[in-house]
Amino acid sequence: NAGVTQTPKFQVLKTGQSMTLQCAQDMNHEYMSWYRQDPGMGLRLIHYSVGAGITDQGEVPNGYNVSRSTTEDFPLRLLSAAPSQTSVYFCASRPPGRSGNTIYFGEGSWLTVV
Amino acid sequence: AQSVTQLDSHVSVSEGTPVLLRCNYSSSYSPSLFWYVQHPNKGLQLLLKYTSAATLVKGINGFEAEFKKSETSFHLTKPSAHMSDAAEYFCVVSRGSNYKLTFGKGTLLTVNP
Repeated sequence: NAGVTQTPKFQVLKTGQSMTLQCAQDMNHEYMSWYRQDPGMGLRLIHYSVGAGITDQGEVPNGYNVSRSTTEDFPLRLLSAAPSQTSVYFCASRPPGRSGNTIYFGEGSWLTVV
Repeated sequence: AQSVTQLDSHVSVSEGTPVLLRCNYSSSYSPSLFWYVQHPNKGLQLLLKYTSAATLVKGINGFEAEFKKSETSFHLTKPSAHMSDAAEYFCVVSRGSNYKLTFGKGTLLTVNP
């Protein structure tokens, strides 16, 4: 099983450039989310989706866009990259229903904005 | 609202000695609690989870955690540390039908030879 797949793993952007981080899962999970990880901050929720066509903002949504046209895919778009968006990004998915359901994470995407 | 506090940002132990990583939570309702481990430049791996069944939860690689409602704690322990346990550990809380997870800020575990 592929689980949660993120691409690219590493990316360097110039300030003002745009890019999309891809996330795909093959477990038919309704819930998907994006987090950013910064030193000493843990993981902070950027955006999440509870199903195709439904997205909502998390704790730190500014500067990011998402869409959910299919159950499998949940891309994260940086419209105009800023140095403050240098971070490690994780995509996660989870089956619906119980809060105890395991969350599955991708391997992470290391983004540097110069 | 829910929150998680990992009481130590860095814990250093010697190989073969016990490990204790502390986590306190705040939640209005009975939460589900998780411990995840992240090795350098890797993703997050589930160690164990509490979902209102047994209060003592056993996970992978010899780790276990005890849910103590009266103390609102979910500390992670291991009787004997291995060098391969060196990593960052995250305590995570989730409750009810709320899909949002709240992460602690992480505890970096160093294991000395």
